[in-house]
Amino acid sequence: DVKVTQSSRYLVKRTGEKVFLECVQDMDHENMFWYRQDPGLGLRLIYFSYDVKMKEKGDIPEGYSVSREKKERFSLILESASTNQTSMYLCASSFPTPAKVPFFGPGTRLTVL
Amino acid sequence: KNEVEQSPQNLTAQEGEFITINCSYSVGISALHWLQQHPGGGIVSLFMLSSGKKKHGRLIATINIQEKHSSLHITASHPRDSAVYICAPSRKNQFYFGTGTSLTVIP
Repeated sequence: DVKVTQSSRYLVKRTGEKVFLECVQDMDHENMFWYRQDPGLGLRLIYFSYDVKMKEKGDIPEGYSVSREKKERFSLILESASTNQTSMYLCASSFPTPAKVPFFGPGTRLTVL
Repeated sequence: KNEVEQSPQNLTAQEGEFITINCSYSVGISALHWLQQHPGGGIVSLFMLSSGKKKHGRLIATINIQEKHSSLHITASHPRDSAVYICAPSRKNQFYFGTGTSLTVIP
């Protein structure tokens, strides 16, 4: 059973804290993605990675960074959390096959107070 | 930028009703996907379409490439169909996600 797991389902942090969201996939996928999902805005791509130590900015990278030290793990980092980063964060992974929808994790609902 | 428009945003239906969700897009695509997201759950792919029509059980998806429009139909809707449905056109490795349609089916 293929799986993308995220470290937390719910997370509450304070403004200014450094936040780590971890994602692990067990399918040996090359591609990994971080999205945020907000009401009325849908899914927006923050960063993606197509190989270990490689990363590419998505549509909304400001305020975020990522790390991919191992193929199976892709971390999203909020260096200094702000209230406008309160959102649902979804990790996904895929093979580099055109037009195949990635496998999504269950999501982390982050609240920044 | 709004490459993908879905309608309606919210939909409430009685069990058994026929449901239609619409998706219009403005970009050139190689395929279009319909995704389902249950409350608290991850996202799963329902259909991938590049032309015509596909059917899985009570779900039917159609696409008109010339008009850049796709529809998702649910026949004989059931409370377990309650979810967010997301239209996602794609081109090569890039996906454009609609804002989703939140469907609630009442028994």
